[in-house]
Amino acid sequence: AQSVTQPDIHITVSEGASLELRCNYSYGATPYLFWYVQSPGQGLQLLLKYFSGDTLVQGIKGFEAEFKRSQSSFNLRKPSVHWSDAAEYFCAVGATSGTYKYIFGTGTRLKVLA
Amino acid sequence: EPEVTQTPSHQVTQMGQEVILRCVPISNHLYFYWYRQILGQKVEFLVSFYNNEISEKSEIFDDQFSVERPDGSNFTLKIRSTKLEDSAMYFCASTDDMDSPLHFGNGTRLTVT
Repeated sequence: AQSVTQPDIHITVSEGASLELRCNYSYGATPYLFWYVQSPGQGLQLLLKYFSGDTLVQGIKGFEAEFKRSQSSFNLRKPSVHWSDAAEYFCAVGATSGTYKYIFGTGTRLKVLA
Repeated sequence: EPEVTQTPSHQVTQMGQEVILRCVPISNHLYFYWYRQILGQKVEFLVSFYNNEISEKSEIFDDQFSVERPDGSNFTLKIRSTKLEDSAMYFCASTDDMDSPLHFGNGTRLTVT
């Protein structure tokens, strides 16, 4: 069965520090992979996506993610975190069995210390 | 940039009442979805809709739920006889094809008292 695991429920980093949020997936074929960010009380904003090609993808707000097929991972990174990055981050896989839909991870809540 | 819009942003209802959550997907999109996020939990797929019919529904989407595209722009989720456990954020999403990401609305927070 398809699944997405985000092992870290909470992460706290200092402003200016680097960030890596982990995501592992289980999917039978080459997946479509996404990272979304949700600020408190807000909707889901797409940060970046991987469909095919270059395994290092760039997104908005200075985020990037790397698809590693051998590790079934799609970790999100940012070299220098800003206080405004505090939010919840969701990894998702686009599953094409049945209909095209997303399967989300449980999310990682990021706290940024000034 | 075109957006998916959802109304209302917050709905409070009493247990047993019916609610209709409304969504206006992006105008040229063909695939529509509803997702649910119970507070503190992950975002869960409810239903997908294409060509004026349900493509797939999850176990959560039982007879209490229904979806409709009443006209060329709106996409609604009806919840009959609401229960306390229906309290959640409900997200509408749309896309124009399966090689494009889903665009999500800002959600409707449903509180059942």
